[in-house]
Amino acid sequence: QKEVEQDPGPLSVPEGAIVSLNCTYSNSAFQYFMWYRQYSRKGPELLMYTYSSGNKEDGRFTAQVDKSSKYISLFIRDSQPSDSATYLCATPNRDDKIIFGKGTRLHILP
Amino acid sequence: DVKVTQSSRYLVKRTGEKVFLECVQDMDHENMFWYRQDPGLGLRLIYFSYDVKMKEKGDIPEGYSVSREKKERFSLILESASTNQTSMYLCASSAHRTGIAGELFFGEGSRLTVL
Repeated sequence: QKEVEQDPGPLSVPEGAIVSLNCTYSNSAFQYFMWYRQYSRKGPELLMYTYSSGNKEDGRFTAQVDKSSKYISLFIRDSQPSDSATYLCATPNRDDKIIFGKGTRLHILP
Repeated sequence: DVKVTQSSRYLVKRTGEKVFLECVQDMDHENMFWYRQDPGLGLRLIYFSYDVKMKEKGDIPEGYSVSREKKERFSLILESASTNQTSMYLCASSAHRTGIAGELFFGEGSRLTVL
């Protein structure tokens, strides 16, 4: 089993919709989780991070971790065409190397 | 504005050629990384370095080597390029090895095509 798994999409939603992006992870020892956003032909950049319990909100974005089911979610409210990108979940593994999900391509349709 | 700069955005090389991919960061970061990104495979770590003159193999080092002569510069070398090395190569740096301070800052990528 891969340490972090993510549905690659693509996911297409209309502008203004709530978007839910998800990952699962295998190791219950993982402590915190990150979401990177990658625009087309650019490198990924850190969007937000959260520790292994509860939610974190930043504007229209909410990151959530469910430790019991080893599930990570990123919610985007009032989605905009500028949110169209690939979103990668990530976490440091036992060796403190950051491991990434494969990324979900998101298209927000105007 | 912090920056990781990859000197070549697009390269086309022939099989067997030696390829150098250069990366420079201006954040005085100790740690630097090379990843490749392929559709369906995601980001895979090739090599990393936690200090000048130091290098460690990542998950897929075969066919690659690296050089870190100065703190700000980390080069990826393909000694004899092959078609299966056609990919997007991403350089990254971080201030710390662990914790959220280990946030990775990425360059814009170098898209390499090997014919």
